Amino acid sequence: KAGVTQTPRYLIKTRGQQVTLSCSPISGHRSVSWYQQTPGQGLQFLFEYFSETQRNKGNFPGRFSGRQFSNSRSEMNVSTLELGDSALYLCASSFVEGKSYNEQFFGPGTRLTVL
Amino acid sequence: KNQVEQSPQSLIILEGKNCTLQCNYTVSPFSNLRWYKQDTGRGPVSLTIMTFSENTKSNGRYTATLDADTKQSSLHITASQLSDSASYICVVSGGLGKIIFGKGTRLHILP
Repeated sequence: KAGVTQTPRYLIKTRGQQVTLSCSPISGHRSVSWYQQTPGQGLQFLFEYFSETQRNKGNFPGRFSGRQFSNSRSEMNVSTLELGDSALYLCASSFVEGKSYNEQFFGPGTRLTVL
Repeated sequence: KNQVEQSPQSLIILEGKNCTLQCNYTVSPFSNLRWYKQDTGRGPVSLTIMTFSENTKSNGRYTATLDADTKQSSLHITASQLSDSASYICVVSGGLGKIIFGKGTRLHILP
């Protein structure tokens, strides 16, 4: 099976712009979670989607949003970019949602730089 | 407050030596604990996952231990190799899908 794929791998934007990141989960996985990773804060949970519904949400402002499509592919959007949004954005997929004994498989991430 | 604390923050050892990384957590209720390895520029890769009833689990040269009473876990790496240079992240899952990440230990293996 192919692993989790994320596009684009690298992105440079300027303050005030918006960005959309894409994630394709492992085939058969219906749960997709998004994380932000920065050197100072480590990995922080953004949100989780299952069957096109947001099931969990972390403590991020409303500028961060996401969605999931019927084929389980997911996108996250960040509007009005700020310098502090520069980070590695990771997507993880898992087979079962809501069961905490579900292993998450991470994609390679999208490196976002905001200038 | 649900927290996962890892120590040390960074570690440098010589190739071939053993090392142990620590993870203390206050997540409650507890469901499982995972160790991930993250190479620079890549996503984390799962090494081990342990539930409440498991106190040790191995994956090749990696051995994780869990003491649910003291809420401590360790990851022991035996006979380190240059490819072990990476960040090691401890992740604790609690109730209702709560997942708390540690900030990781950055391990450097020197030849």
